[in-house]
Amino acid sequence: GENVEQHPSTLSVQEGDSAVIKCTYSDSASNYFPWYKQELGKRPQLIIDIRSNVGEKKDQRIAVTLNKTAKHFSLHITETQPEDSAVYFCAAIRNSNYQLIWGAGTKLIIKP
Amino acid sequence: DSGVTQTPKHLITATGQRVTLRCSPRSGDLSVYWYQQSLDQGLQFLIQYYNGEERAKGNILERFSAQQFPDLHSELNLSSLELGDSALYFCASGGLAVNTGELFFGEGSRLTVL
Repeated sequence: GENVEQHPSTLSVQEGDSAVIKCTYSDSASNYFPWYKQELGKRPQLIIDIRSNVGEKKDQRIAVTLNKTAKHFSLHITETQPEDSAVYFCAAIRNSNYQLIWGAGTKLIIKP
Repeated sequence: DSGVTQTPKHLITATGQRVTLRCSPRSGDLSVYWYQQSLDQGLQFLIQYYNGEERAKGNILERFSAQQFPDLHSELNLSSLELGDSALYFCASGGLAVNTGELFFGEGSRLTVL
C-alpha cells in the first residue's frame, strides 16, 4: 500500500530564514498532495495543495514542489515568522480509493 | 470555523468505561473521517464513512466502532477504555472525493482515561 515518509521530524530555523520540509511517497498512482498546518492544541488546516499535473504551486510565502519521477514533494516557507511555528503534515492520495495517507509530521520551530 | 462540529470537547472517564464521540459534518459533505492523535504524535486514521457506508478502515481497534447515520452525522464508540486510549480524536469531513477539495477538521474531542 501507499506509504508517505516525511523529513525532518523537527526543524528549527531563525526568523526570516527559509524552511523546507520534504515528503516521499511510494504509490506512483498518487495524484493529489495536500499540506496541513496544525498549531498547538488546534485542528489541522489545509495551507496548500498540488495535483500531479503541476510541478510547482505558490501562495505568498509558501510553495510546494512536486517531482513525480522521484516521487517526492516539498513544502517551502520563505521569510519565516513566529506564527509559522506549528506541526506540518504532508499527505498523498490516489484518486481511485480516496484514501489520504499522512506523513508523520514536522514540528517547525521559529527562533526569534 | 470549519463547519464540522464535534461533541463533547473534553471527556474524562475511567478505565473499562465506554464513551461515544459525535461528529456533524459540514453541510453537503458526504464523507466523514475519524482520526486519533496521541500527545505529540501524528494523525492516525481510524475509519472513513461515505454516505452512510463504511468506505475504509485504518488502525482501528476492535474495541472501537463507528457509524454514520442517514442525516450524515457520525458517532465513534470507544469501549473497554484503557489508559493508552487517552488522545485527541478528530473528525473530518470532505466531499465526494478528498482530492477534489480539502478535508475540514472539527476542533476535536479530548479524551482522558484515568
